[in-house]
Amino acid sequence: AQSVSQHNHHVILSEAASLELGCNYSYGGTVNLFWYVQYPGQHLQLLLKYFSGDPLVKGIKGFEAEFIKSKFSFNLRKPSVQWSDTAEYFCAVNSEGGATNKLIFGTGTLLAVQP
Amino acid sequence: ETGVTQSPTHLIKTRGQQVTLRCSSQSGHNTVSWYQQALGQGPQFIFQYYREEENGRGNFPPRFSGLQFPNYSSELNVNALELDDSALYLCASSLQGDNSPLHFGNGTRLTVT
Repeated sequence: AQSVSQHNHHVILSEAASLELGCNYSYGGTVNLFWYVQYPGQHLQLLLKYFSGDPLVKGIKGFEAEFIKSKFSFNLRKPSVQWSDTAEYFCAVNSEGGATNKLIFGTGTLLAVQP
Repeated sequence: ETGVTQSPTHLIKTRGQQVTLRCSSQSGHNTVSWYQQALGQGPQFIFQYYREEENGRGNFPPRFSGLQFPNYSSELNVNALELDDSALYLCASSLQGDNSPLHFGNGTRLTVT
């Protein structure tokens, strides 16, 4: 069965620090990959996505993620975090051939950015 | 554009009871998906509806059922509630197609006592 692993459950950073959140998935076929973010008191929203092409994808608010097929990874990065990046971040995968838009989510990483 | 709206926001039920959760999809979206998010976990796919029919189902028992209406709104029904059904239930709408991103509502927090 497919699964998504997020290694960091809780991350605390100071403003201007660099961020990298790990995400690994288990599926050998073609996948679509996503990062969703949930700010405090708000709904889940799409941060960025990878379907094909350039493995380095850029999303909103200065976030980017790199798809490394050989490592089954899709890590999220940001060079310099801000206090407003405090949120919970979810990695998700949608496998080709699965129900349309059926996503498998990781358990999430709670990021706290200290001013 | 109007986003995804869910009702109620909070609900408390007793074990064995039945519950209905409602979702209005974002304007122009024809597909609705439901997810269950237990505390400390990521959302888990329950099922998806398109053209008023179930279009994919996750690993949930038959007591979880749904409906989609002609205006694309949807209901999630859970019968014979169990304590482990306590969770945040998320509705997400999208257009049909693998590349269409999900737009989530704020969820319904269900507590089963």
